[in-house]
Amino acid sequence: NAGVTQTPKFRILKIGQSMTLQCTQDMNHNYMYWYRQDPGMGLKLIYYSVGAGITDKGEVPNGYNVSRSTTEDFPLRLELAAPSQTSVYFCASSLGQGGHTEAFFGQGTRLTVV
Amino acid sequence: DQQVKQNSPSLSVQEGRISILNCDYTNSMFDYFLWYKKYPAEGPTFLISISSIKDKNEDGRFTVFLNKSAKHLSLHIVPSQPGDSAVYFCASPLISSGSARQLTFGSGTQLTVLP
Repeated sequence: NAGVTQTPKFRILKIGQSMTLQCTQDMNHNYMYWYRQDPGMGLKLIYYSVGAGITDKGEVPNGYNVSRSTTEDFPLRLELAAPSQTSVYFCASSLGQGGHTEAFFGQGTRLTVV
Repeated sequence: DQQVKQNSPSLSVQEGRISILNCDYTNSMFDYFLWYKKYPAEGPTFLISISSIKDKNEDGRFTVFLNKSAKHLSLHIVPSQPGDSAVYFCASPLISSGSARQLTFGSGTQLTVLP
């Protein structure tokens, strides 16, 4: 029973490099989300998707891109990494809209940009 | 501009005593609230929720109280156990520009239960 799986768990990037954070869920959830958590702060929504082929911006989308070609996968792309993107990234999914149904989170990816 | 606020970054409680974690919100349109619990190196996990049509919801040792007039909710843990030591996030759905409801999180409270 895997739930939401994120890879990698840790990554160090140099300024200007690019990378993709992978996220897969096996619960057949329509809704998927990417959050970032900075120290001492709550989770902030980067992007979300309400189904395959549909994505939308969250609160802090700048510097990121997403795609949703399948129900299971929701990768997050960082182009031209900047130190401000140093954070812990969480992918989540839910059966219904994120407000009234439980969201399931992955274990997180700790990203450091140097 | 935080719409969901947790003003206490940390709380320490003796094992067996009550833990009370607080959360304030600014938008009176919020009609549903959730508490998530997070252990180090793990993602948040859902703990308990409450709808604005209720003022209390109980699940075992966990009870959430909602005071709509004060725009305040609290999570009570009785009795507290060392395994409850974690960061607790208050969250509420927000209508986003895309009209889908997404969770807005508070900044979290680190609870430490001392044996």
